[in-house]
Amino acid sequence: GQQVMQIPQYQHVQEGEDFTTYCNSSTTLSNIQWYKQRPGGHPVFLIQLVKSGEVKKQKRLTFQFGEAKKNSSLHITATQTTDVGTYFCAGPGGGTASKLTFGTGTRLQVTL
Amino acid sequence: NAGVTQTPKFRVLKTGQSMTLLCAQDMNHEYMYWYRQDPGMGLRLIHYSVGEGTTAKGEVPDGYNVSRLKKQNFLLGLESAAPSQTSVYFCASSYFSGGYEQYFGPGTRLTVT
Repeated sequence: GQQVMQIPQYQHVQEGEDFTTYCNSSTTLSNIQWYKQRPGGHPVFLIQLVKSGEVKKQKRLTFQFGEAKKNSSLHITATQTTDVGTYFCAGPGGGTASKLTFGTGTRLQVTL
Repeated sequence: NAGVTQTPKFRVLKTGQSMTLLCAQDMNHEYMYWYRQDPGMGLRLIHYSVGEGTTAKGEVPDGYNVSRLKKQNFLLGLESAAPSQTSVYFCASSYFSGGYEQYFGPGTRLTVT
């Protein structure tokens, strides 16, 4: 079945450093979504990318969708302690567009 | 507008007991989902529904049953709980299919002893 992998699994940075997480799907995706889950919280939708090569920015966060629509990345510039959490990518698939397959997630820890 | 709510928030069960988790959404969403989240495992889909009266199996359906009698509610049942079902359970809903963002409930932390 469809697999969505993310690397790294965990990253610890000092506040002000940059951070990037990469997402790779075993199948081509019609779109990709990113979610953030704070510790003890629930996943919250951040953004959706649809077009091949698309780049979107949200303040210090930059999201990219690969040309082949099988990979994506999230880059955070100058991390802050408020960025702490687990970041998941997700794409429709697994044989149906009715559901999302979530990536394995990247846990970000930020210290002063 | 409460969004997606889940009850209960916490529960401890003994092996073999049964329980039902309730998910409710007030956004008139067609699609609803049940996930479980275990440390290091991400979110795994248990069952989902594409509309009132419909249900379908996800990635890890064994040991669970679901029902969607009303559009706004999606119930997850454990008939005979096992320690392997200790997890955090999240319900989510979306307006339509996988191309739409999912809204998650706050989660239910279930421990089976």
